[in-house]
Amino acid sequence: SQQGEEDPQALSIQEGENATMNCSYKTSINNLQWYRQNSGRGLVHLILIRSNEREKHSGRLRVTLDTSKKSSSLLITASRAADTASYFCATAFIQGAQKLVFGQGTRLTINP
Amino acid sequence: EPEVTQTPSHQVTQMGQEVILRCVPISNHLYFYWYRQILGQKVEFLVSFYNNEISEKSEIFDDQFSVERPDGSNFTLKIRSTKLEDSAMYFCASSEVSGSTGELFFGEGSRLTVL
Repeated sequence: SQQGEEDPQALSIQEGENATMNCSYKTSINNLQWYRQNSGRGLVHLILIRSNEREKHSGRLRVTLDTSKKSSSLLITASRAADTASYFCATAFIQGAQKLVFGQGTRLTINP
Repeated sequence: EPEVTQTPSHQVTQMGQEVILRCVPISNHLYFYWYRQILGQKVEFLVSFYNNEISEKSEIFDDQFSVERPDGSNFTLKIRSTKLEDSAMYFCASSEVSGSTGELFFGEGSRLTVL
């Protein structure tokens, strides 16, 4: 299977704490992307990291990629109640293939 | 900010009926996609469309499904004879470059309920 798999499936933390979500995949990738989904809403792109990159930052988000372990992590620092959502990793496996393969997602709850 | 718009937001239909879901992608985008998400499950790729033809499709996208770009702005997904298991949220997405190299912009989704 080419699926990305996130862990944990659910994460509940206090506002202000950092949240870390992990994603693993099985085959070589072109890039890995993280998306956010509020309940019942569409997906919003957060960050894209290419296979030749190891770390990327965007505001309070930090993404790492370890291609040797076929894994990525998304760190949200100083979490806020508004960060409550589901977070999905999505992998693009082959240059020229257009589909993204999404993982099961991590449901993040930030408690005020 | 440009966005992908989808209609209807919710459609209820009887099993066996035809359904058309509509999408208006971002105007300068060249790649268009349909994904679906069954309640509580992962987002699944259905089909990608580029240069007025299907460029890739999944096993889910069988003969009951079709896509069309009837004019310069709309992108539609048709399900010819709906089944109970077609009940899901259907997301349209578009991108400037291939989904393998750049981000996708998703609409808010069309919830399809098949009774």
